[in-house]
Amino acid sequence: DTGVSQNPRHKITKRGQNVTFRCDPISEHNRLYWYRQTLGQGPEFLTYFQNEAQLEKSRLLSDRFSAERPKGSFSTLEIQRTEQGDSAMYLCASSFGGTNTEAFFGQGTRLTVV
Amino acid sequence: ELKVEQNPLFLSMQEGKNYTIYCNYSTTSDRLYWYRQDPGKSLESLFVLLSNGAVKQEGRLMASLDTKARLSTLHITAAVHDLSATYFCAVVGYNFNKFYFGSGTKLNVKP
Repeated sequence: DTGVSQNPRHKITKRGQNVTFRCDPISEHNRLYWYRQTLGQGPEFLTYFQNEAQLEKSRLLSDRFSAERPKGSFSTLEIQRTEQGDSAMYLCASSFGGTNTEAFFGQGTRLTVV
Repeated sequence: ELKVEQNPLFLSMQEGKNYTIYCNYSTTSDRLYWYRQDPGKSLESLFVLLSNGAVKQEGRLMASLDTKARLSTLHITAAVHDLSATYFCAVVGYNFNKFYFGSGTKLNVKP
């Protein structure tokens, strides 16, 4: 499968616990994005990487959230001390850099904080 | 910050009918994308529109872009039940760093 892969697909966690999600982009893509989507809404930008460099973070990304992309390949998104408001679908996308970029999305990780 | 508005947000239509979904955005951009999302699933890329006047068609769907009006349309011709899904438009920011999404149009085509 050459698409964007995300793991796990579903995560249920208790409030206050830490969770980590993984995204494996399409191999030749140098850009990687994280988005969050809540029910009935469009995806909201969280952060993006160009290779291993995290170039922009949304104000939505509080200090409980951290993302990494070591070696410019896969990426992880960690949420510390989860809150019920963190419950959402977390989507990862990847693309080539450049002006004609098209982003391809993974299947997402659905987080439920109880 | 760039704003993207779609309308309608909900659309219920009979099979065989035509309809148009509208996507307005607030600042200059000449790259617009349409995605489809089925319930509980991720986003599937439908169209990439890269210039003013761009028109693309795939099956019963046709998308167009008017960058001067900051408007894109997604036209549905002779709708079928399989087109039932949520459709999102997305605009790329000025430095191509991120996509701004509309709230989506939830389409329900009744058989």
